[in-house]
Amino acid sequence: QSALTQPPSASGSPGQSVTISCTGISSDVGGYNYVSWYQQRPGKAPKLMIYEVSKRPSGVPDRFSGSRSGNTASLTVSGLQAEDEADYYCSSHAGSKNLVFGGGTKLTVL
Amino acid sequence: EVQLVESGGVVVQPGGSLRLSCAASGFTFGDYTMHWVRQGPGKGLEWVSLVSWDGDTTYYLDSVKGRFTISRDNSKDSLYLQMNSLRTEDTAFYYCAKGKRGTYYDMLTLDYWGQGTLVTVSS
Repeated sequence: QSALTQPPSASGSPGQSVTISCTGISSDVGGYNYVSWYQQRPGKAPKLMIYEVSKRPSGVPDRFSGSRSGNTASLTVSGLQAEDEADYYCSSHAGSKNLVFGGGTKLTVL
Repeated sequence: EVQLVESGGVVVQPGGSLRLSCAASGFTFGDYTMHWVRQGPGKGLEWVSLVSWDGDTTYYLDSVKGRFTISRDNSKDSLYLQMNSLRTEDTAFYYCAKGKRGTYYDMLTLDYWGQGTLVTVSS
């Protein structure tokens, strides 16, 4: 059982927006501005998409955005494209546990 | 270009030992905290361990404490994970990842990952 809770799946049609949630508690997601999101395509290594809740590394399209409300962080993908189909994982600092991940969400572009 | 290449994954019996390696290039390895993250078959990501830039500070996932040891050799741009008393639940792809520069919290952002090496613990 993962420390952070994500929905197992999400989907949307090309051009639409989809939001993936990541729920923790006050001692992880809700307590630190260090939530990250990673994209993992099949058979590939994870790729950093969002860090510090809402910052984008260089090279990541601005279609990807992050936010947080209380103990729940969210990743929104706008203008869905076929290439966005992948698994997405959130992570957060978690005090003495250092770093915890969510269980992952499989994003399907219909 | 940052590159991280893991090696050392094999099939090993329960109770056995193994050492994973990660060769880094494309950045000043000795300036950055490094991590190991694993992913069981069909499962999600699980952070395993980190080592500070100078090797002096290490942290571990509770379930591997006392069994796994992370280390680094900055003269060889290499990261290691010594795995002892292996259990079937340690079966996973093991990824080497680089932390961002900065505070302890910044280091928990993993900005580059290797392709992983598969460790299978089975009799």
